[in-house]
Amino acid sequence: NAGVTQTPKFQVLKTGQSMTLQCAQDMNHEYMSWYRQDPGMGLRLIHYSVGAGITDQGEVPNGYNVSRSTTEDFPLRLLSAAPSQTSVYFCASALTDREKLFFGSGTQLSVL
Amino acid sequence: KQEVTQIPAALSVPEGENLVLNCSFTDSAIYNLQWFRQDPGKGLTSLLLIQSSQREQTSGRLNASLDKSSGRSTLYIAASQPGDSATYLCAVIRSGAGSYQLTFGKGTKLSVIP
Repeated sequence: NAGVTQTPKFQVLKTGQSMTLQCAQDMNHEYMSWYRQDPGMGLRLIHYSVGAGITDQGEVPNGYNVSRSTTEDFPLRLLSAAPSQTSVYFCASALTDREKLFFGSGTQLSVL
Repeated sequence: KQEVTQIPAALSVPEGENLVLNCSFTDSAIYNLQWFRQDPGKGLTSLLLIQSSQREQTSGRLNASLDKSSGRSTLYIAASQPGDSATYLCAVIRSGAGSYQLTFGKGTKLSVIP
């Protein structure tokens, strides 16, 4: 098992550009979620999914879109990048809401 | 709104010492609580998960306890080693009826001095 795979590892964008952060898991996990980690703020939940076709907002969803067309993939889309979206982004998955979370290795995003 | 606090923010101990990390939360209506370890530049690794109906979980030199009524959890590390140096985070999970909300503390940065 590869676990949770995030791509790319690093990305630099200009303000206003759009992009998609990829997240894939090969553990047949139903629950998937996206977080951003900022100095002094800790990890904050952006969006989550409790199964294919089902997504919902977390604490800081503005400026981000998600979809879950398959169990394996949960991409995060930045619609129009802003400098405030400079952060490290993590994707995580769990078999159920009673099981341990598995995290990807993260994407470091800089928006200039 | 759930708030999770971890004290201290940083801790430095000599090798071999036993230590306790603290996590407190404001809303006791949680589903479970997890403790994670994060090494610099890496993702998080789940160490222990405690269901809301449980009082503690153990894995090797780690023991985590949960007291929902007081809104507290502790992570006990026995006989600390330099390899334990990392940031430790706790997260509380509230789930049900299609909702899945996780709230993280800001972490405790642990340094174990040889």
